[in-house]
Amino acid sequence: GENVEQHPSTLSVQEGDSAVIKCTYSDSASNYFPWYKQELGKRPQLIIDIRSNVGEKKDQRIAVTLNKTAKHFSLHITETQPEDSAVYFCAASRSGGFKTIFGAGTRLFVKA
Amino acid sequence: NAGVMQNPRHLVRRRGQEARLRCSPMKGHSHVYWYRQLPEEGLKFMVYLQKENIIDESGMPKERFSAEFPKEGPSILRIQQVVRGDSAAYFCASSLGGGDEQYFGPGTRLTVT
Repeated sequence: GENVEQHPSTLSVQEGDSAVIKCTYSDSASNYFPWYKQELGKRPQLIIDIRSNVGEKKDQRIAVTLNKTAKHFSLHITETQPEDSAVYFCAASRSGGFKTIFGAGTRLFVKA
Repeated sequence: NAGVMQNPRHLVRRRGQEARLRCSPMKGHSHVYWYRQLPEEGLKFMVYLQKENIIDESGMPKERFSAEFPKEGPSILRIQQVVRGDSAAYFCASSLGGGDEQYFGPGTRLTVT
């Protein structure tokens, strides 16, 4: 069945450094790739997404890249801040009534 | 612009009782998804519904669990004869169309004693 693998499971960086989280997906028909941030005890919140017709998207300190040939996509956070500490989930889906598959999550710690 | 609403936020049930979790999607959204999250774990897909239709229930256990999204009113996830292993956070999300961005509700934390 469809699968999304996410790495690393835990990531610890110093404040101001960059953080990169990588995901691979198995369903070649996937065309929508969102990223969610979940703080402790809170709901997942969409932070950025990308569709298969573009290779990169940026929003201030966060960016997402997509390589459809290799079936992988990555989240990049630059100039990390302590408030970026959270669990980040990648996901893959396709239009037309199909479920979204989530990665297992990456716990990001940003040390002040 | 109200977001996705879920109630109750916390639910305590004894083993063998029934749990009913409700989800009201964002205004204008007709697609609803239910996910289960155990502590320190990821989001596990359970079921995907549109109004009056179950689109995909491949993630839902065959027994004791059911879901509906009637023409009027919220979507309901029903767990019969709860067991301790059902204790988890249950999130619902809604989207405008299939494959669109999903917006999550605050979750219902179910505790089975």
